[in-house]
Amino acid sequence: DAGVIQSPRHEVTEMGQEVTLRCKPISGHDYLFWYRQTMMRGLELLIYFNNNVPIDDSGMPEDRFSAKMPNASFSTLKIQPSEPRDSAVYFCASSREPGTVNTEAFFGQGTRLTVV
Amino acid sequence: AQKVTQAQTEISVVEKEDVTLDCVYETRDTTYYLFWYKQPPSGELVFLIRRNSFDEQNEISGRYSWNFQKSTSSFNFTITASQVVDSAVYFCAFISNFGNEKLTFGTGTRLTIIP
Repeated sequence: DAGVIQSPRHEVTEMGQEVTLRCKPISGHDYLFWYRQTMMRGLELLIYFNNNVPIDDSGMPEDRFSAKMPNASFSTLKIQPSEPRDSAVYFCASSREPGTVNTEAFFGQGTRLTVV
Repeated sequence: AQKVTQAQTEISVVEKEDVTLDCVYETRDTTYYLFWYKQPPSGELVFLIRRNSFDEQNEISGRYSWNFQKSTSSFNFTITASQVVDSAVYFCAFISNFGNEKLTFGTGTRLTIIP
């Protein structure tokens, strides 16, 4: 398996522009997670899906952030409009059932977002 | 609420030395899982190990070993005969199986191996 695939790897955009981050989870994984990593706040869970359904989006910082999972093999995280404080590395991860014997999450390589 | 503490923010050791990274967790749950992840300079997060709360056996994988002690709520990670390629940020993480599907991460320990 190719692992979790994220695109793009790097994104530089101007403040106010829309940014879309993409993720393909590992086949067979029912759970998909979006994380944000910054120096100040470390790794933060933004939202996660189970069987394509958003379960908990309490980590999404504000309405400018939205995430979708139209099918089992694809998810997007969108920021509109983007702001400089959104600059971070965004990780997508997938797993089988958390809290069980197959619970480990596998992470993509991340998207480094810079908003100027 | 669950909490994971990695008190060591940064550690530097000379190559070939042994080094232990500490992880302490807090939970009221009796069934849970603990993890270690490695984040090398290239930035990806690499899964290293999972340990469940019922299995306190220490685990060894090559130069890596893990010491899980429920009595002290600790899950420490030791690298023996460290190498420059071990330089990375290491994260300890926790998940409970009681309806909470979120991984809780520690703040990470940046390990630098000096050649």
